[in-house]
Amino acid sequence: QVQLQESGPGLVKPSETLSLTCAVSGYSISSGYYWGWIRQPPGKGLEWIGSIYHSGSTYYNPSLKSRVTISVDTSKNQFSLKLSSVTAADTAVYYCARLLSVLTWFDPWGQGTLVTVSS
Amino acid sequence: QPVLTQPPSSSASPGESARLTCTLPSDINVGSYNIYWYQQKPGSPPRYLLYYYSDSDKGQGSGVPSRFSGSKDASANTGILLISGLQSEDEADYYCMIWPSNAYVVFGGGTKLTVL
Repeated sequence: QVQLQESGPGLVKPSETLSLTCAVSGYSISSGYYWGWIRQPPGKGLEWIGSIYHSGSTYYNPSLKSRVTISVDTSKNQFSLKLSSVTAADTAVYYCARLLSVLTWFDPWGQGTLVTVSS
Repeated sequence: QPVLTQPPSSSASPGESARLTCTLPSDINVGSYNIYWYQQKPGSPPRYLLYYYSDSDKGQGSGVPSRFSGSKDASANTGILLISGLQSEDEADYYCMIWPSNAYVVFGGGTKLTVL
């Protein structure tokens, strides 16, 4: 059974870079599938950040593209998110999830991690 | 980016049916897209429920009861999640999602379903 777990700092200062990692267990990332990041500001809806194929091909939300980098580390069976120049608007619960392929659904999801942007 | 419009809230009584809608902008045709639906309960990540393209192309998430079903209303350019035989455990937020292209994903704003 595939499980995903997000990790990273819970507090980031404005203008700095948010960095999160999603550790995958129960499945080898190098075997295939796509992997994604989705966020949810407190009390608000879901926003797709971007997705990555196990080979490293990436797809980003156009509204965040200039600040986002998603990468995969098959040796550690994990993938990562970097979001630069953060502001308070980037405060959210950040989820990682698996995609069977493009044009499919996210399942399963990690439990999510709250990242607060504040000085 | 297209905006998927969902009513902020909806309510129904136990045993009744709830019809949750997801309206696409007028410049994209609901008939051309898979509509994906997720359920989210407080403090938990979203759970994939199902997708609907047509009556012959649809799929249920693992372990999702058959009383959750999808459909479309082409005249309203809307995707629909129907929950029949409502139970108290169905009280949650529901999100729709589409792939406007094979390179990006859009979620609706979500509907909070209250089971009275």
